[in-house]
This record gives sequence, C-alpha cells and structure tokens, in this order.
Amino acid sequence: EPEVTQTPSHQVTQMGQEVILRCVPISNHLYFYWYRQILGQKVEFLVSFYNNEISEKSEIFDDQFSVERPDGSNFTLKIRSTKLEDSAMYFCASRLAGVGTDTQYFGPGTRLTVL
Amino acid sequence: DAKTTQPNSMESNEEEPVHLPCNHSTISGTDYIHWYRQLPSQGPEYVIHGLTSNVNNRMASLAIAEDRKSSTLILHRATLRDAAVYYCILRPAMDTGRRALTFGSGTRLQVQP
Repeated sequence: EPEVTQTPSHQVTQMGQEVILRCVPISNHLYFYWYRQILGQKVEFLVSFYNNEISEKSEIFDDQFSVERPDGSNFTLKIRSTKLEDSAMYFCASRLAGVGTDTQYFGPGTRLTVL
Repeated sequence: DAKTTQPNSMESNEEEPVHLPCNHSTISGTDYIHWYRQLPSQGPEYVIHGLTSNVNNRMASLAIAEDRKSSTLILHRATLRDAAVYYCILRPAMDTGRRALTFGSGTRLQVQP
C-alpha cells in the first residue's frame, strides 16, 4: 500500500540553525500538508500546498518557515533559524484532489530537537 | 468550525468491543464526521467517515445518531494495537481540500490484556 515517507526520522540541531525536513507524498496525490505536535500537545496545522503554491497557513507558519516542492516527488519544510520552541514532531500529509477524496494520509513524522 | 466533544480517556479489555463517543451538537447539515487515530509515536491515521448512515470498514464501524448530534466509533474486538488517541473531526462536504484537519485532544484508549 502506498505511504507517505519522511526523512530524517530524528533531527537534532542547534538553536539558530536552519533545518530542512523532507517528505515524499503518495505519488498521485496533489494536496500536501505539514502539521506539528509538541510533546504532550495537540496536532497543529502549519501549512497546506496545492498546485505549487501555499493554499492555507496557520499563525504558527511565520516568516521563518517555508515550503517547497523542488521536484516531482519531494515536499520540504524549511525552518530558517530554529528556536527552542520549534522542538516537536513534524508530520507531512497528502491527499488526492476532488470531491469525496478528503482523507489525508500522514507520514511517520520527523522528531526535531532544538538545543 | 463546529466543535466536537470527546471523553479524555477510556479503557477496554482485549477482544471486547469498544464504543468511543463523540458529541457534535452544532454540526451543520453538510458536515461529514471523520475519525482518525494516532498510535503511540506515529502520525495520525484515517479510520472512517460518514454523513448520515452508519458505515463499516475493515477497521471499525461508525454509528451516527438520527439527529446527527452525536456519533460513536465502534471497534468490534479491541486488540492491544488499537491503543491510541482517537479523534472525531467534522469536515464540510464541499471542502476543496485546502482546509486543514483540526485536531482536538481526542480520546486516549487504553486496552488491557
């Protein structure tokens, strides 16, 4: 069964450093999402992406965040200057386009630890 | 967005049925009821969804009240692997896909052997 994959599974970085989290969505999916979950808290939406542009973003997704689909398979989340409070699990998700295809498929996540 | 209310936690014994309730008294007529679950240290996973009629799939059943103000996710025989946080989420029927999922706190299901 096709699945969303994410790399790395765990990233440790120093405060102020840039990190890039990578995701490979399911191949025929057209909508892509990033969510994050701080330890012990709810899953929070960051950004959605469709047709090579951001469709929607939350208040969390400020100027230090960016997303890109650099090729036909990868979807990346870049954090330019990491802060301690960016430590969290980051989940990528994807879904098909069209009415009746609302199910989002999530990857296993990347655990980001900012020291 | 219409709000959902779920118990914080529930316990079950292995191989027994589990009924996970969700209240959504402000649901609109075109909202679908979706359930996702999150196993420990994993990403959320789709379970089932429905609009008005009860639904069954290989993972679970969804029973929707006649007035649609509540629903129940039914796991027919809980296994240890079903221990997870279960989220009930409302989605508008004409969602273009741009709208994100809004996760609440969900119900943490513990399954005892």
